[in-house]
Amino acid sequence: GDSVTQMEGPVTLSEEAFLTINCTYTATGYPSLFWYVQYPGEGLQLLLKATKADDKGSNKGFEATYRKETTSFHLEKGSVQVSDSAVYFCALTPANQAGTALIFGKGTTLSVSS
Amino acid sequence: NAGVTQTPKFRILKIGQSMTLQCAQDMNHNYMYWYRQDPGMGLKLIYYSVGAGITDKGEVPNGYNVSRSTTEDFPLRLELAAPSQTSVYFCASSKTGAGNQPQHFGDGTRLSIL
Repeated sequence: GDSVTQMEGPVTLSEEAFLTINCTYTATGYPSLFWYVQYPGEGLQLLLKATKADDKGSNKGFEATYRKETTSFHLEKGSVQVSDSAVYFCALTPANQAGTALIFGKGTTLSVSS
Repeated sequence: NAGVTQTPKFRILKIGQSMTLQCAQDMNHNYMYWYRQDPGMGLKLIYYSVGAGITDKGEVPNGYNVSRSTTEDFPLRLELAAPSQTSVYFCASSKTGAGNQPQHFGDGTRLSIL
């Protein structure tokens, strides 16, 4: 079945460092791809999404590009802030299956220090 | 701006007790979902609903029941609590079931079974 694999955490960075969190997926066809962020004690919030190959999703300085050839959707940010400390989840919804739920990776914890 | 509201936020149960986790959304969304999040893992789908009166099982439905009598509410019922049900539970909703639609999450219910 469809699945998502994310890099293991935790990721520890200093403020203003460059961030990459790797995400690869296994799916048939063209799934929709998402990054969600979970701040401590809160629910998940949509960070960005991409719904077709070569699309780039972006929000709050974060970017991810839908790469069909490498089945990847890596999350990047050029300069992280302490406020970016959170758990980041890569997820997909299978192609051509309306009403199905998100399939999540295990999450990557990011800790940014000043 | 309530979005998805879950109650309670925390609960401790004894083995064999029952309880209902409440979920309500005020966005007139048709689709609603219940997930559980275990430590170090992504979210797993328990049940979902595509509209009032319609529910269906997800990946991990055993030990749970749901109902959807209104568009707004989607309660999750634990009949005989077991230690394996210790988890954080998230309710989510989306306007449609289209794969490119993001889901909106509540803040979660942290449940411990002792």
